[in-house]
Amino acid sequence: NAGVTQTPKFQVLKTGQSMTLQCAQDMNHEYMSWYRQDPGMGLRLIHYSVGAGITDQGEVPNGYNVSRSTTEDFPLRLLSAAPSQTSVYFCASSLTGTGHNEQFFGPGTRLTVL
Amino acid sequence: KQEVTQIPAALSVPEGENLVLNCSFTDSAIYNLQWFRQDPGKGLTSLLLIQSSQREQTSGRLNASLDKSSGRSTLYIAASQPGDSATYLCAVKFGGQFYFGTGTSLTVIP
Repeated sequence: NAGVTQTPKFQVLKTGQSMTLQCAQDMNHEYMSWYRQDPGMGLRLIHYSVGAGITDQGEVPNGYNVSRSTTEDFPLRLLSAAPSQTSVYFCASSLTGTGHNEQFFGPGTRLTVL
Repeated sequence: KQEVTQIPAALSVPEGENLVLNCSFTDSAIYNLQWFRQDPGKGLTSLLLIQSSQREQTSGRLNASLDKSSGRSTLYIAASQPGDSATYLCAVKFGGQFYFGTGTSLTVIP
């Protein structure tokens, strides 16, 4: 099992550019989520999905879109990048969205927006 | 909204010491609480998961306790080693979402 994988590891964008952060898991997990981690603020939930075709907003969804067409993949799209989106982005998954399952995290994508 | 706090923000101890990290949360209606370790520039590694119906979980030198009524969890690390140096994060499952604390940065001095 590769677990949770994320690409790219690093990315530099200019303000206004768009891009997609990729996330995939091979554990047949139903629940997937995206977080951003900023100094002094901990991890904050952006969007999450409880299964293919179902997504919902987290704490900080503005400026980000997601879709979940397959169980394995959960891409995060930045429509028009802003300097405030400079952060480290983590994708996570768990078997289900219920309270009984631990989360597994990917290695992260470090994004800089100039 | 759930708020998760971890105190202290940073901790430095000599090798061999037993230590306790604290995590508190404002709403006790949680499904579970999970402790993670994060090394610099890396992702999060799960250490322990405590369900809301449980009081504690143990793995090797780690022991995590949960007191839902008081909104607190502690992570006990026995006989600390330099390899334990990392940031430790707690997260609670509340509603459909996970809420994280800002972490405790631990340094174990040889």
